[in-house]
Amino acid sequence: GQQLNQSPQSMFIQEGEDVSMNCTSSSIFNTWLWYKQDPGEGPVLLIALYKAGELTSNGRLTAQFGITRKDSFLNISASIPSDVGIYFCAGLISNFGNEKLTFGTGTRLTIIP
Amino acid sequence: DGGITQSPKYLFRKEGQNVTLSCEQNLNHDAMYWYRQDPGQGLRLIYYSQIVNDFQKGDIAEGYSVSREKKESFPLTVTSAQKNPTAFYLCASRYNPGGSGYTFGSGTRLTVV
Repeated sequence: GQQLNQSPQSMFIQEGEDVSMNCTSSSIFNTWLWYKQDPGEGPVLLIALYKAGELTSNGRLTAQFGITRKDSFLNISASIPSDVGIYFCAGLISNFGNEKLTFGTGTRLTIIP
Repeated sequence: DGGITQSPKYLFRKEGQNVTLSCEQNLNHDAMYWYRQDPGQGLRLIYYSQIVNDFQKGDIAEGYSVSREKKESFPLTVTSAQKNPTAFYLCASRYNPGGSGYTFGSGTRLTVV
């Protein structure tokens, strides 16, 4: 099965810094999603993107759906301790009424005190 | 409050035994999904069901089985044929058709001892 290429794999930053991560694929997606997962919990949806070129914000988070529909990025501004966790991108494709959600490999964000 | 519940949170299984993981949702969602998560990897799709009494294999279905007798419930059985069952298992659900509202449970960590 396909997995999306997500980078970086991990990030170590200081509180207050901005964060940027991205996802690329060889396939086109109809929808891009960004999730955050805390240890031992399920992922929680942060942002959903539905149109190529779309730029969407959710508080300090901003995400964009790439023009080619094969990539997406997520930015976090002014990071705070609760931003720590694993961030996953996911691409959604519809095919004859069946939908499939494919996940990236994750970016682990750590904040250095 | 509506949500998706996975149980148990932690599960230990002896080699050669089958074990069933529970997933229940009261969100009136049509589609339900099972994902497997290994350390440092994204989520991989095991099985999914878009309507009651119907389900399809995902990318890594070998060694697993499911049933969908009720809209609210989508149990996953990890059989003895699954050679490397130790992992974090996540259940998700969403409305049909279309949309991006995938809601995840809090996961079950299965360990083979």
